[in-house]
Amino acid sequence: EVQLVESGGGLVQPGRSLKLSCAASGFTFSNYGMAWVCQAPTKGLEWVASISTGGGNTYYRDSVKGRFTISRDNAKNTLYLQMDSLRSEDTATYYCARLDNNYRGYWFAYWGQGTLVTVSS
Amino acid sequence: DTVLTQSPALAVSPGERVTISCRASESVSTLMHWYQQKPGQQPTLLIYLASNLESGVPARFSGSGSGTDFTLTIDPVEADDTATYYCQQSWNDPFTFGSGTKLEIK
Repeated sequence: EVQLVESGGGLVQPGRSLKLSCAASGFTFSNYGMAWVCQAPTKGLEWVASISTGGGNTYYRDSVKGRFTISRDNAKNTLYLQMDSLRSEDTATYYCARLDNNYRGYWFAYWGQGTLVTVSS
Repeated sequence: DTVLTQSPALAVSPGERVTISCRASESVSTLMHWYQQKPGQQPTLLIYLASNLESGVPARFSGSGSGTDFTLTIDPVEADDTATYYCQQSWNDPFTFGSGTKLEIK
């Protein structure tokens, strides 16, 4: 059974940092691209960042470029999101998701339960 | 960014057929996917590549469309289908989601 378990969320002051983790199990982690998707309270879903299987290629939405860093440790089956210079608008539940694909494109096949990040003074 | 437009809400009775639409601001080919999010839970994949039913998802769910107009159909609707349904495209960068359609079962 595919499992994705996020951790690391919490209350943080504006301008500070936080690092999220996502522990993966039930599949060969190194074979799949991974992503973070966020959802502000009572709002919709928003893609944040993606990373390739080996970690060599990373992609970010414009609003987090230069502030967030996605990474992975395939030996530990773990995905990370380093969040620096946090802003109040980053307040959201952050989901870890597995990217499935064929030759045509990608989709978010499995999602974790999410971890809440609250940015407030 | 590609904007995906969904109706905010729908209300139907059990046993009825419901169609949820998603319109893209530009073509996304067939790289459209649908997710269900029940209150307090994470999203789950229903349909990928416009019309492919994810394993384990009931055959009551189906998807269609290409280009800019897509539809998720639930037939027949059950009480457990109460949820918000999101479309998402992966043809254009960045990946974008619709704002969601909240489905109420009367």
